[in-house]
Amino acid sequence: ILNVEQSPQSLHVQEGDSTNFTCSFPSSNFYALHWYRWETAKSPEALFVMTLNGDEKKKGRISATLNTKEGYSYLYIKGSQPEDSATYLCALREYGNKLVFGAGTILRVKS
Amino acid sequence: KAGVTQTPRYLIKTRGQQVTLSCSPISGHRSVSWYQQTPGQGLQFLFEYFSETQRNKGNFPGRFSGRQFSNSRSEMNVSTLELGDSALYLCASSWGATGNSGANVLTFGAGSRLTVL
Repeated sequence: ILNVEQSPQSLHVQEGDSTNFTCSFPSSNFYALHWYRWETAKSPEALFVMTLNGDEKKKGRISATLNTKEGYSYLYIKGSQPEDSATYLCALREYGNKLVFGAGTILRVKS
Repeated sequence: KAGVTQTPRYLIKTRGQQVTLSCSPISGHRSVSWYQQTPGQGLQFLFEYFSETQRNKGNFPGRFSGRQFSNSRSEMNVSTLELGDSALYLCASSWGATGNSGANVLTFGAGSRLTVL
């Protein structure tokens, strides 16, 4: 059974702090790694999809990196804002197979 | 452009009943996936359909079934409901199918929240 692990499980930071989360996955048969943000009472929203080892993506203050050889991806948020509070999900797709989600990292940003 | 539409949004059923949930994908999207989310659990994969064919299936009992129609709309059915089936059921659509382009992002609907009493 494919296991995608996310750490930490939850994180509380002050407004302005920078933070990062980790997504770990088995590195064999890798095809794509997705990151989604899920705000309370809303639908999960796609942030990034990465397919190549060494990929780096950026959207505003949020960026992500991918290392398929060692099986991890990092998500960084620079200068966290209260509106960044959400659950951040990563998901792995192996070739020809389903998209498997991690349990998520809950981020709470205090103003 | 309309998003992914799920109906109903909320429903309450009793044990032993069955339920059908509907999902209309974004226009032009041919792939529909279903996920279950229960408290303390991540999104658990149920099924994925592309062009009316089930491409992948998760580890759920046979009481969970689904289908996709020629217009890409999808339904999932849960028969003989159990208390543990109480969950948020999310549908997501994407342009491509698994394996054809694993990079296709999912666009999620708002979900159907099922409560089984």
